[in-house]
Amino acid sequence: DTAVSQTPKYLVTQMGNDKSIKCEQNLGHDTMYWYKQDSKKFLKIMFSYNNKELIINETVPNRFSPKSPDKAHLNLHINSLELGDSAVYFCASSQDRAGLGNTIYFGEGSWLTVV
Amino acid sequence: TQLLEQSPQFLSIQEGENLTVYCNSSSVFSSLQWYRQEPGEGPVLLVTVVTGGEVKKLKRLTFQFGDARKDSSLHITAAQPGDTGLYLCAGADSWGKLQFGAGTQVVVTP
Repeated sequence: DTAVSQTPKYLVTQMGNDKSIKCEQNLGHDTMYWYKQDSKKFLKIMFSYNNKELIINETVPNRFSPKSPDKAHLNLHINSLELGDSAVYFCASSQDRAGLGNTIYFGEGSWLTVV
Repeated sequence: TQLLEQSPQFLSIQEGENLTVYCNSSSVFSSLQWYRQEPGEGPVLLVTVVTGGEVKKLKRLTFQFGDARKDSSLHITAAQPGDTGLYLCAGADSWGKLQFGAGTQVVVTP
């Protein structure tokens, strides 16, 4: 069983569209994250939820809206997609916050291409 | 502005050689982690170091955390083609915010 699974794995869409990426973890973790990895492989945190509560919200355009219906799910919705949104988006989870030395488990990534 | 600077950005060596990757910062972290990422996959945690001066060994990999908890190094002895990948260091603050370095792409050729 995949610990952190995200869908879709690949997404090609036109500018201006709205899209969602879904993420589920079956590890029983309390904390979930969304990271963005750009073309230069730089991985940057976007959001973090702990027990469905938003605890980290980096400087991300408000076109990006995370939603955590329960502890096991953290979805990412993106409105009015722009070319610069093209990247790999990684969902991740950990038992507690990363700063407490907890292991973060990453999903396989969702490759988003905006054309 | 990147908090964590990794060097080198790219490293190509032959099987059997040794290599060292460096991760430097002006910030102090509560812990520092090293990940390896292979193409088409997410990063996988290799090690977490917490105490200044700590040294951890994972088979042929040796990780060191600087005394001031601002820098770290990863040393691979007798590299093998299976060590090929993108190595990422990441520093965590007490709030759980993980800052990643830009990564070092390691290629080990047979």
